[in-house]
Amino acid sequence: EIVLTQSPGTLSLSPGERATLSCRASQSVSSSYLAWYQQKPGQAPRLLIYGASSRATGIPDRFSGSGSGTDFTLTISRLEPEDFAVYYCQQYDSSPRTFGQGTKVEIK
Amino acid sequence: QVQLQESGPGLVKPSETLSLTCTVSGGSVSGFYWSWIRQPPGKGPEWIGYIHYSGNTNYNPSLKSRVTISVDTSKNQFSLKLSSVTAADTAVYYCARGDGYSYVWGQGTLVTVSS
Repeated sequence: EIVLTQSPGTLSLSPGERATLSCRASQSVSSSYLAWYQQKPGQAPRLLIYGASSRATGIPDRFSGSGSGTDFTLTISRLEPEDFAVYYCQQYDSSPRTFGQGTKVEIK
Repeated sequence: QVQLQESGPGLVKPSETLSLTCTVSGGSVSGFYWSWIRQPPGKGPEWIGYIHYSGNTNYNPSLKSRVTISVDTSKNQFSLKLSSVTAADTAVYYCARGDGYSYVWGQGTLVTVSS
């Protein structure tokens, strides 16, 4: 099973700042089968990025994903008020599919 | 656009079987994979398994002995059964489309295991 470790656990930033979230896999995720989700309280996760760097339909271009192998990054170029939430990475390269434990982006 | 809606009991007794159904509207179950994912309170999501509309399944090994996912194309639904539940199975249960990443999710339903 591929274990995904996200860091930091919490990121305290102000609107307008840049957010950089990390997701490290315990073994290589081939073909960059990695996704990122945003989750707000009481809501289902919302797909942001798939294939490590492809934005899902309707996702603003301030969200970008990068990385390969075992190290992946989600970058939010300029935080908007609606971006404060919990973010999860997920690998779908192998079974079982696994998620990271999440990074909370909170208002400083 | 496709919408998913989970339904089923919100309270299940320990040792009993949790049963949930996901109804697909605005589209067909045919031609796609469909997944169940759960999220314990305050924790990250956990993938339970998926089913192809043809009936092929893939389950999380940690739950495999207790899980059954099935599909009913005539009703445009797919279902989850989890047997011998304990308090550790208390979670919000989501249905979603796809076998990898999921763009379409249901709103989720909280299932509490308690006597």
